[in-house]
Amino acid sequence: DVKVTQSSRYLVKRTGEKVFLECVQDMDHENMFWYRQDPGLGLRLIYFSYDVKMKEKGDIPEGYSVSREKKERFSLILESASTNQTSMYLCASSRLSNQPQHFGDGTRLSIL
Amino acid sequence: SQKIEQNSEALNIQEGKTATLTCNYTNYSPAYLQWYRQDPGRGPVFLLLIRENEKEKRKERLKVTFDTTLKQSLFHITASQPADSATYLCALPSLRSSASKIIFGSGTRLSIRP
Repeated sequence: DVKVTQSSRYLVKRTGEKVFLECVQDMDHENMFWYRQDPGLGLRLIYFSYDVKMKEKGDIPEGYSVSREKKERFSLILESASTNQTSMYLCASSRLSNQPQHFGDGTRLSIL
Repeated sequence: SQKIEQNSEALNIQEGKTATLTCNYTNYSPAYLQWYRQDPGRGPVFLLLIRENEKEKRKERLKVTFDTTLKQSLFHITASQPADSATYLCALPSLRSSASKIIFGSGTRLSIRP
């Protein structure tokens, strides 16, 4: 079974801090994704990557950046955390473009 | 831009009945559609994918239909059980050419009462 592991289930940070969320997948998938999920707004794509060192903006990239130095690892970076970035963050991976996505269990991030 | 609507935020039905969830989309013709299940505090889990040339797909007690004329997919759970209680999400590719991005509906929270 595909396993997508997110480094933390819960994280509390302060405004202005630089925050790193890590995601690792163990199935050699090409594509990796970062979403945030908020009540009433559903899942929204922040960034995705289709290959090492490649990235594309999703629907809400502002205030975020990503890094993919190795195929199995995709990091989400909050450059200067703000309270409106308090959310559930979900990482996913897929082998090809039209294949199902496999999700981690999420990081619930609170920015105080 | 494309839009996805799931029929209701919440659906409550009696155990043993068939649950039917609806996913409507507008403004484009997707090559496929996916359904996911999400339990509280967990990430979504893929259930089924149906392609535009498939009218219906089944997996155990699950059945998905895809009507490209109505721009609608129906997701059925037959002989529903309390363990089926979860939020169900439909998802579509963001572009006709099946690019990497998919767009999720906001989900329907299904509750099965004993």
